[in-house]
Amino acid sequence: DVKVTQSSRYLVKRTGEKVFLECVQDMDHENMFWYRQDPGLGLRLIYFSYDVKMKEKGDIPEGYSVSREKKERFSLILESASTNQTSMYLCASSPRTGQGTDTQYFGPGTRLTVL
Amino acid sequence: DQQVKQNSPSLSVQEGRISILNCDYTNSMFDYFLWYKKYPAEGPTFLISISSIKDKNEDGRFTVFLNKSAKHLSLHIVPSQPGDSAVYFCAASYFSGTYKYIFGTGTRLKVLA
Repeated sequence: DVKVTQSSRYLVKRTGEKVFLECVQDMDHENMFWYRQDPGLGLRLIYFSYDVKMKEKGDIPEGYSVSREKKERFSLILESASTNQTSMYLCASSPRTGQGTDTQYFGPGTRLTVL
Repeated sequence: DQQVKQNSPSLSVQEGRISILNCDYTNSMFDYFLWYKKYPAEGPTFLISISSIKDKNEDGRFTVFLNKSAKHLSLHIVPSQPGDSAVYFCAASYFSGTYKYIFGTGTRLKVLA
């Protein structure tokens, strides 16, 4: 079974703090993704990575950065957390077979609250 | 600009009846369409997909229909079971260097026992 784990289920941070969200997958997948889920907005892609040290912006990258130093680990960084970054953050991974049906496997999510 | 839309935020269905979840899209370049199911406090899990060159794909109780001329797809669940109660996300994929995915806003399905 593919397993995608996220470092925290719940996180509370203060405005201006630097926040690290960690994601690890155990299936040797090339692709990894960070989404945020907000009511009425669905899942929106923040960043994704298709290889180690490679990254590409998604639809809402502002205020975020990412790091992928090892294939199994993809980190999302909030340089200076703001209240509008309060959200559910979901990490996903998928193999790169060249098909658009590559199943994305999601972690359980991290609910981040910024006060 | 929401390229993938799920216009019904919620749906209630009696156990044993059919559940129909709808999804509309605007981009003709999407190659595949996928449905994911999400339970509370869990990440979404893949349910079923369909290629843009097909009009139907079936997997057990789940069938996805694609109407390309109307840019519309639907997920049918027959018969519905209480365990199907979840949020369902429609997603579409397209190729731009690598495959990327756009998700809809989700429909919360409640199956009543």
